[in-house]
Amino acid sequence: DTGVSQDPRHKITKRGQNVTFRCDPISEHNRLYWYRQTLGQGPEFLTYFQNEAQLEKSRLLSDRFSAERPKGSFSTLEIQRTEQGDSAMYLCASSLQGNNSPLHFGNGTRLTVT
Amino acid sequence: GENVEQHPSTLSVQEGDSAVIKCTYSDSASNYFPWYKQELGKRPQLIIDIRSNVGEKKDQRIAVTLNKTAKHFSLHITETQPEDSAVYFCAATPSGNTPLVFGKGTRLSVIA
Repeated sequence: DTGVSQDPRHKITKRGQNVTFRCDPISEHNRLYWYRQTLGQGPEFLTYFQNEAQLEKSRLLSDRFSAERPKGSFSTLEIQRTEQGDSAMYLCASSLQGNNSPLHFGNGTRLTVT
Repeated sequence: GENVEQHPSTLSVQEGDSAVIKCTYSDSASNYFPWYKQELGKRPQLIIDIRSNVGEKKDQRIAVTLNKTAKHFSLHITETQPEDSAVYFCAATPSGNTPLVFGKGTRLSVIA
């Protein structure tokens, strides 16, 4: 499977703990996006990278959230001091650079904060 | 920033009937409008998209129409089948450098 892969698929953590998720995009895609999806809602944009540069961050992304893409390939999303409101599906997507290239999503990481 | 509204939130149709889902957007600079299908527990998958220089696009049983003046676009599914049952999301983006903004989704149920 050469699609977008995310790890882990599921994560259960206690409030206050830190968690880190990984995303491996499609290899030739230089853009990588993180979205969050809660039940009954559409994906909400968090942040995106072009190669290793983080180009935009949503106001949804509090200072407890940090994302990296150090070598312009895989990316990590870390949430520090998790809160119950962080429980959601975290989706990664990648695309080619260029106007309106389609986003290809991974299967997501489902986070449950207890 | 862009705001995308999607209606209805749920839609039930008999197998073989047509389904229509409508979206409106707020930013007149938006020029790209994809539709994604998300089956339960699976990733959103692109099913069709349209750019602002085109009024209509069709791919087999699905079609999308765009009205730039009114700032709305619609997904049409004809001859619906049970496997069309899923949540459908519309999205819009003002430019290639601006991330997609999604609607809240429409849960389509096709009743056999």
